Amino acid sequence: QVQLVQSGAEVKKPGASVKVSCKASGYTFTSYYMHWVRQAPGQGLEWMGIINPSGGSTSYAQKFQGRVTMTRDTSTSTVYMELSSLRSEDTAVYYCAREDSSDWGQGTLVTVSS
Amino acid sequence: DVVMTQSPLSLPVTLGQPASISCRSSQSLVYSDGNTYLNWFQQRPGQSPRRLIYKVSNRDSGVPDRFSGSGSGTDFTLKISRVEAEDVGVYYCMQGTHWLRWTFGQGTKVEIK
Repeated sequence: QVQLVQSGAEVKKPGASVKVSCKASGYTFTSYYMHWVRQAPGQGLEWMGIINPSGGSTSYAQKFQGRVTMTRDTSTSTVYMELSSLRSEDTAVYYCAREDSSDWGQGTLVTVSS
Repeated sequence: DVVMTQSPLSLPVTLGQPASISCRSSQSLVYSDGNTYLNWFQQRPGQSPRRLIYKVSNRDSGVPDRFSGSGSGTDFTLKISRVEAEDVGVYYCMQGTHWLRWTFGQGTKVEIK
């Protein structure tokens, strides 16, 4: 079955960067785009961007332009989301989700605190 | 971007009674292939979102038949025919028609009275 397994929780200081991974299995990795969505504590779901695992092309939400980079490694069926210049408002659970929205990762909590 | 607006944002319900959540989009969600990519998700506390309904009215595998989706164009509804205790959580509508940019409703918190 389809599985999206994300990396573990992170604690970062303001101004630092964080890189979250999402390893896919159970389907052809390059056949489905991958989205990243985040959820701040007690808040709703916020779309961050999308990556095409086949060619590596990306599209980001305007809010994150210049701070987010999504990449992929086809040899390990893994996509990555790196967010830089972290601030306290970036404290959230970050999810990867397959293109058809049917499958989501378990989430990665990123805490930004001095 | 397409704006998704849900109502109500809080929904106290009595066990065994029906519940209904509305979702409106700022643009038509009919895609060029004729499909409407409006999905509904359930999120229980501490869990990832779980898709319940896709393309307006199709239940995902394992979703109880007390959940149903309806609507067209810009107006959509999720109904729970008889609320059970396990249905407590937050429900989100999401448009995937403009698939390079998903957008979500604000979420509706369902709780038991």
